[in-house]
Amino acid sequence: DQQVKQNSPSLSVQEGRISILNCDYTNSMFDYFLWYKKYPAEGPTFLISISSIKDKNEDGRFTVFLNKSAKHLSLHIVPSQPGDSAVYFCGFAGGTSYGKLTFGQGTILTVHP
Amino acid sequence: DAGVIQSPRHEVTEMGQEVTLRCKPISGHDYLFWYRQTMMRGLELLIYFNNNVPIDDSGMPEDRFSAKMPNASFSTLKIQPSEPRDSAVYFCATARPPAPPPTEAFFGQGTRLTVV
Repeated sequence: DQQVKQNSPSLSVQEGRISILNCDYTNSMFDYFLWYKKYPAEGPTFLISISSIKDKNEDGRFTVFLNKSAKHLSLHIVPSQPGDSAVYFCGFAGGTSYGKLTFGQGTILTVHP
Repeated sequence: DAGVIQSPRHEVTEMGQEVTLRCKPISGHDYLFWYRQTMMRGLELLIYFNNNVPIDDSGMPEDRFSAKMPNASFSTLKIQPSEPRDSAVYFCATARPPAPPPTEAFFGQGTRLTVV
């Protein structure tokens, strides 16, 4: 039962342009929504998160948007850089399962020079 | 701190053999998670512990999988008997309090398991 879905397995973007990664979820009880980035042969690393009481959180080139009515989460990267090429996982935490940290299938982002 | 340490980094084993993956968490982190990464299911949560106690093992695929955390410094994930479909990268991750809930987890480098 996948509660989080990343419907785009891959995304290709030109350097300097915007990258938009999307994620849909089914459970409205979560407290936090988050994004992790993973490079090959490394473990995922935390990128950015957003509380369920907010609709936007920004950190430098990275902005996460939360649309609770649509149950949709997105990550915007502006401007995209070749070093952003990685696998991006969206995930969620909290709600009825307080400590549980769960992720989606991942989207492979490739930023071309 | 050296971060989350997993061993071995790579494991190749024959079908039917027992496999044990190991994890040393970051000191002071109360939460420990075991994940499996595959192309089809992405980063799949298998089990997580809080203060060495298993809280949710609903992601463990079958009885062939078991996980233990005998103390705050060590955890194992065991597969017995192993099957080719268990081939994947297995990650251990830990998170610290009080962050309610633990959104920022620190991952190890993973163990790439190949069952032939």
